[in-house]
Amino acid sequence: QVQLVQSGAEVKKPGASVKVSCKASGYTFTSYYMHWVRQAPGQGLEWMGIINPSGGSTSYAQKFQGRVTMTRDTSTSTVYMELSSLRSEDTAVYYCARGGPNVDYNWFDPWGQGTLVTVSS
Amino acid sequence: SYVLTQPPSVSVAPGQTARITCGGNNIGSKSVHWYQQKPGQAPVLVVYDDSDRPSGIPERFSGSNSGNTATLTISRVEAGDEADYYCQVWDSSSDHYVFGTGTKVTVL
Repeated sequence: QVQLVQSGAEVKKPGASVKVSCKASGYTFTSYYMHWVRQAPGQGLEWMGIINPSGGSTSYAQKFQGRVTMTRDTSTSTVYMELSSLRSEDTAVYYCARGGPNVDYNWFDPWGQGTLVTVSS
Repeated sequence: SYVLTQPPSVSVAPGQTARITCGGNNIGSKSVHWYQQKPGQAPVLVVYDDSDRPSGIPERFSGSNSGNTATLTISRVEAGDEADYYCQVWDSSSDHYVFGTGTKVTVL
């Protein structure tokens, strides 16, 4: 079955960077886009960006442009999301979520289990 | 940017029907997707492309979309349906994926 397994919780100081991983299994990794979505405590869902695991091309939400980098490693079927210049407002659960085989399939299914990133001095 | 508005909460008795709305400018021209999120868990897709259900999702979950409002309908509500629900679209003008504000469904 399709499964996305994310790395464990992180605690970072303001100004630092964090890199979260998402390992995919149960399907052809390079055939489906991957998204990153975050959720601050008690808040709603916020889309961060998308990566095409096939060629590595990315598109980021304007809010995160310049601070977020999404990459992939096809040898391990893993995508990564790195967020820099962390501030307290970045404290959130970060999810990877599989997109479709092309951008016409613009829903997310399934989702990883989430990674809590806490930014605190 | 494109905005999706949902009611903060909906309450429903077991066995009754819950309707969750998602408002957006001409949302009927877009494909709407719905997610269920239980406390401490990742979201789960329950409806995609306005009204299609992924495998494993009960027929009690259905969707519609027209004009400026999309609706997720949960028939014969069960205690296990208590969760937060989010609508989502892709906004072509910004090439961004947008989520609604979320609705907490409480089963009385």
